[in-house]
Amino acid sequence: DAGITQSPRHKVTETGTPVTLRCHQTENHRYMYWYRQDPGHGLRLIHYSYGVKDTDKGEVSDGYSVSRSKTEDFLLTLESATSSQTSVYFCAISVGNEQYFGPGTRLTVT
Amino acid sequence: GESVGLHLPTLSVQEGDNSIINCAYSNSASDYFIWYKQESGKGPQFIIDIRSNMDKRQGQRVTVLLNKTVKHLSLQIAATQPGDSAVYFCAENKYTGNQFYFGTGTSLTVIP
Repeated sequence: DAGITQSPRHKVTETGTPVTLRCHQTENHRYMYWYRQDPGHGLRLIHYSYGVKDTDKGEVSDGYSVSRSKTEDFLLTLESATSSQTSVYFCAISVGNEQYFGPGTRLTVT
Repeated sequence: GESVGLHLPTLSVQEGDNSIINCAYSNSASDYFIWYKQESGKGPQFIIDIRSNMDKRQGQRVTVLLNKTVKHLSLQIAATQPGDSAVYFCAENKYTGNQFYFGTGTSLTVIP
């Protein structure tokens, strides 16, 4: 699992509330990623980071923000959750060209 | 636009048979491809990769074939086992900021 943990693993929240998901890695990898996975879609990149305080948008970044104040932690925030953000969220790290994924967070927005 | 897709959404095979899962990609500039396996409730797991300067790469019971002419790759699993039941998907890397683009997946079911 490349030392990747995600928290929480499951969350149910109401529309309009803020939500923060955490990704933690133990091996000092530089690149970290947040994806969402939905039926009928492949994994879609939300945001990624290439170092502390260095982040960039992916293809589905609207409604999400990220922060990386430490190498080991990459936070994904939904400022005001919407039902369309109900999904499974995966964090990943890069080792060379390979990507390794965390166990996922299932988020339900009611 | 870019797309990475799979020809078949589901595949059922008998235990012991070989499985072939296909993937099409649209960007001829992609130079690196990965196959992932995802079991229910888990994150994707790296299986095997291949670079665009190769046509074939073999791993343990798995082989990936790349046909750049028709922008197609396949994953072959030899002697399929019940533990191989999962969703398999391919990903391509266009080497722009280490971003990958993923297919939607094929669900493989192995019948004992």
